[in-house]
Amino acid sequence: AQKITQTQPGMFVQEKEAVTLDCTYDTSDPSYGLFWYKQPSSGEMIFLIYQGSYDQQNATEGRYSLNFQKARKSANLVISASQLGDSAMYFCAMREFNSGYSTLTFGKGTMLLVSP
Amino acid sequence: NAGVTQTPKFQVLKTGQSMTLQCAQDMNHNSMYWYRQDPGMGLRLIYYSASEGTTDKGEVPNGYNVSRLNKREFSLRLESAAPSQTSVYFCASSEPGNQPQHFGDGTRLSIL
Repeated sequence: AQKITQTQPGMFVQEKEAVTLDCTYDTSDPSYGLFWYKQPSSGEMIFLIYQGSYDQQNATEGRYSLNFQKARKSANLVISASQLGDSAMYFCAMREFNSGYSTLTFGKGTMLLVSP
Repeated sequence: NAGVTQTPKFQVLKTGQSMTLQCAQDMNHNSMYWYRQDPGMGLRLIYYSASEGTTDKGEVPNGYNVSRLNKREFSLRLESAAPSQTSVYFCASSEPGNQPQHFGDGTRLSIL
């Protein structure tokens, strides 16, 4: 079974609107972390936001917030007030902290296009 | 702030040729990683090094070898390149736990 599932291959949003990118995960480890990365067309991987499984509040970083629903095993990225520069591929990733040495497992990504 | 530096940025090889991809980080991180990115597949871990002197296989290690030369440098070697290894390769480094991985700019490798 896939550990990270991103069901939206592509999303479209108009500039200044909010958009939610979906991410569901599968783990039996009670201690884990969820990461979101942005990959613009130039190719680099940019870290956006982190949520730990024991964090009581949803993470926020500027226009990015994480809608963390632990019981549903979802960690959706919310981008408020979209900008043209937000057009990129977005990856959700998970690290399980009790599984030996833990590495990141990535989802397949969601391509976001922001239109004027 | 160089961060993670990968060389080369682009390379074309013929089937059967060998090549080493270089990666260096200046953030004093203990852990380093090599990923490959293929269309529609996300990033898949090839090998990682939890600390200097150790290396371990990831999800897709076949056809690759790695060397953790020192704390800064982690190289990926293709001994006999195959067309299936055409991909974009990323090196990353991090501290353990909840710290994010920092990525290099990638190496675009084509094998004919």
